Amino acid sequence: AQSVSQHNHHVILSEAASLELGCNYSYGGTVNLFWYVQYPGQHLQLLLKYFSGDPLVKGIKGFEAEFIKSKFSFNLRKPSVQWSDTAEYFCAVNSVDTGTASKLTFGTGTRLQVTL
Amino acid sequence: GAVVSQHPSWVICKSGTSVKIECRSLDFQATTMFWYRQFPKQSLMLMATSNEGSKATYEQGVEKDKFLINHASLTLSTLTVTSAHPEDSSFYICSARGTSGRVEQYFGPGTRLTVT
Repeated sequence: AQSVSQHNHHVILSEAASLELGCNYSYGGTVNLFWYVQYPGQHLQLLLKYFSGDPLVKGIKGFEAEFIKSKFSFNLRKPSVQWSDTAEYFCAVNSVDTGTASKLTFGTGTRLQVTL
Repeated sequence: GAVVSQHPSWVICKSGTSVKIECRSLDFQATTMFWYRQFPKQSLMLMATSNEGSKATYEQGVEKDKFLINHASLTLSTLTVTSAHPEDSSFYICSARGTSGRVEQYFGPGTRLTVT
């Protein structure tokens, strides 16, 4: 079974600092990878996704993530965070070749707190 | 586009009663809907996958007779928690996947269930 690990549970940054949130998954086959964001009091929103092609994907609000297959990683990055980026971030994985109808496995989430 | 709603947003019920939660895709048709449960400060755990017009597929450890799922149309799925107990108190989130064959799931805002 696939699993997803997010090692940073709570990250506190000052505005304008750079961000990198780790995500590692355990599955040897082909995967689709996602980052979702949940702002306080709001529902989960798709931040970015990787299906194939260029391993560096860009999402909304200046976020990007890099898929490194050899490391089973899909880390999320942003060069300069803003106070409005305060939210919970979830990494999710969908295994392509198990016929599991797009079932997503989520990491435990990382709470990002950006201070002014 | 791709808006998913849930109703109610929160509900309090007495132990032993049943509660129905609705999940609707507002601007697209959803062949597949997913129901998740989220415990405080934990990740989303997939409970079941429902396809329009067919029986839901439950994840291991999820009681299908306790968590009744109906996906009667391409825009509506319901989750009924039967004979609720305090341990069923949780945050229930649904997501929907469109008919276009795309993998992305769009999430509802969630329903907070408290069983007293």
